[in-house]
Amino acid sequence: DAKTTQPPSMDCAEGRAANLPCNHSTISGNEYVYWYRQIHSQGPQYIIHGLKNNETNEMASLIITEDRKSSTLILPHATLRDTAVYYCIVRVDQGGSEKLVFGKGTKLTVNP
Amino acid sequence: DTEVTQTPKHLVMGMTNKKSLKCEQHMGHRAMYWYKQKAKKPPELMFVYSYEKLSINESVPSRFSPECPNSSLLNLHLHALQPEDSALYLCASSPEDGRGETQYFGPGTRLLVL
Repeated sequence: DAKTTQPPSMDCAEGRAANLPCNHSTISGNEYVYWYRQIHSQGPQYIIHGLKNNETNEMASLIITEDRKSSTLILPHATLRDTAVYYCIVRVDQGGSEKLVFGKGTKLTVNP
Repeated sequence: DTEVTQTPKHLVMGMTNKKSLKCEQHMGHRAMYWYKQKAKKPPELMFVYSYEKLSINESVPSRFSPECPNSSLLNLHLHALQPEDSALYLCASSPEDGRGETQYFGPGTRLLVL
């Protein structure tokens, strides 16, 4: 089972920041939080990941709370092309291998 | 080369056919993955290969047979599939199969079983 919960859908106006929340209250101290997105019928696209500190790259920022029980993905200036399903994932350790267990994700719709 | 490629993009097969899906990466990654995604559902892991050895099989029926002939190539052999196996099949790779390693996905093969 996925270790994360996300709202099923969100809307955002084009040009505004999109803030996507994720709860992962059972996360362990050494587990990373990953964010992927999937535009309709394409393969999931990696966005960003983090462990404890906030992270930023050319696509997004990731804010992780101090207790690590939740995080927020920020798309600073959303465009229509950012409309997608966004998945927040905490990987599951299985016998030395790590699994990406996808939850249901958040369907983000960016409106003109 | 920074991408994962998958062929074919679309595949239609009958329940008695044998077909194969192919996945390739030239990023030097040593871990490769197969996922299955049904319509309007999230991807679900099927198999993990690490250093060309199968490390995870998520109780996938034997009509799906993975093969990793070398570190760049991953196949999924299909035989006697059922209509409910129709889905998007996604391949991914990562530098290693371990903590903190990012998986990169291919575009998928959309399979229809008639």
